[in-house]
Amino acid sequence: SQKIEQNSEALNIQEGKTATLTCNYTNYSPAYLQWYRQDPGRGPVFLLLIRENEKEKRKERLKVTFDTTLKQSLFHITASQPADSATYLCALDPREAGTALIFGKGTTLSVSS
Amino acid sequence: GAVVSQHPSRVICKSGTSVKIECRSLDFQATTMFWYRQFPKKSLMLMATSNEGSKATYEQGVEKDKFLINHASLTLSTLTVTSAHPEDSSFYICSATYTDTQYFGPGTRLTVL
Repeated sequence: SQKIEQNSEALNIQEGKTATLTCNYTNYSPAYLQWYRQDPGRGPVFLLLIRENEKEKRKERLKVTFDTTLKQSLFHITASQPADSATYLCALDPREAGTALIFGKGTTLSVSS
Repeated sequence: GAVVSQHPSRVICKSGTSVKIECRSLDFQATTMFWYRQFPKKSLMLMATSNEGSKATYEQGVEKDKFLINHASLTLSTLTVTSAHPEDSSFYICSATYTDTQYFGPGTRLTVL
């Protein structure tokens, strides 16, 4: 079965630096991969979706890469701010229509000023 | 677009009572919705897949008689926690799929006294 790993449970960086979060999967290459942000006591919020034929996707200060050879996605936040502090979840498509995304356990990012 | 709402956001009830949580897709139709449970500082745990017009599919270990799911329309799924006990206290989150992406509700904090 597909397994998804987000290498770090927690990541602490200073304001202004670039945060890089990693998501690895072990089995089939997904047709797409998604990143979500979750704040304490709130539901996850969709950030970006990247498809298998896309190498990179950007949205404002966010950048996602997708390497099907390495079976890895990297999520970057440039010029990080304390407001970026949250838990970031990686999710893969389930390959079976009507079934839920496969989520990683998340990486909690803390940006200090 | 693609907004999912949940009601109530917070509920406190006495042990032995039943609690109903509503999940609505506000600007799209969702034939499939998902229900998750999340404990503090833990990852999302998929409880069940709710299918419009048919029975829900429950994940292993989730009691279907305890967590009743009804997906009566293309925009509404309900989760009823029956005969609630303190161990059912948790954060319940629903989601619905729209163009490959799962959009989450804001969550419902259930506290059973």
